[in-house]
Amino acid sequence: KAGVTQTPRYLIKTRGQQVTLSCSPISGHRSVSWYQQTPGQGLQFLFEYFSETQRNKGNFPGRFSGRQFSNSRSEMNVSTLELGDSALYLCASSSQGGAEAFFGQGTRLTVV
Amino acid sequence: QKEVEQDPGPLSVPEGAIVSLNCTYSNSAFQYFMWYRQYSRKGPELLMYTYSSGNKEDGRFTAQVDKSSKYISLFIRDSQPSDSATYLCAMSVHTDSGGYQKVTFGTGTKLQVIP
Repeated sequence: KAGVTQTPRYLIKTRGQQVTLSCSPISGHRSVSWYQQTPGQGLQFLFEYFSETQRNKGNFPGRFSGRQFSNSRSEMNVSTLELGDSALYLCASSSQGGAEAFFGQGTRLTVV
Repeated sequence: QKEVEQDPGPLSVPEGAIVSLNCTYSNSAFQYFMWYRQYSRKGPELLMYTYSSGNKEDGRFTAQVDKSSKYISLFIRDSQPSDSATYLCAMSVHTDSGGYQKVTFGTGTKLQVIP
């Protein structure tokens, strides 16, 4: 069974640009959650999508948005990038959401 | 004060030792408690999850939850060098309408098992 796939693995962007990250969950999983991981703040929840609907949202500005497609694949978009957005972005998939979640390898975003 | 507190370590132990990793939390609504292991440059890997108070054992790993004290622990018996990683605790609330609420993570404890 294939795991969670995130693309791309690495990205370098310039301040002010926007970026889109992709996550393909485990087959059959309908819930996809996104997290930002930084050395100072640890893992912080961004949002969760379930069956194409955003079900939960963390405390991030509106520049961070996402969506989920009918095949459960999800994308996350960050607009007007800031230096502080440099982080490892992780997605996690689960069948129903929450406890038994499986993470991808992450996308490491560097904003210069 | 953070909702979930976890000592960042690093924690260094000799091979074969029993390791105790702990988290405290302030939100009494948390119902699900998870432990993840994260190797460098990898995504977190789910080790165990428990619901409410009690113990759960899986091989060399035992998870304990004490809701009255708002304290959870992960014990690793016969620790191995391959256990060297960062261990993250996580907690969530489940509601009928919203599914699982956001999962809140501790900052992680870095463990090094020395051969």
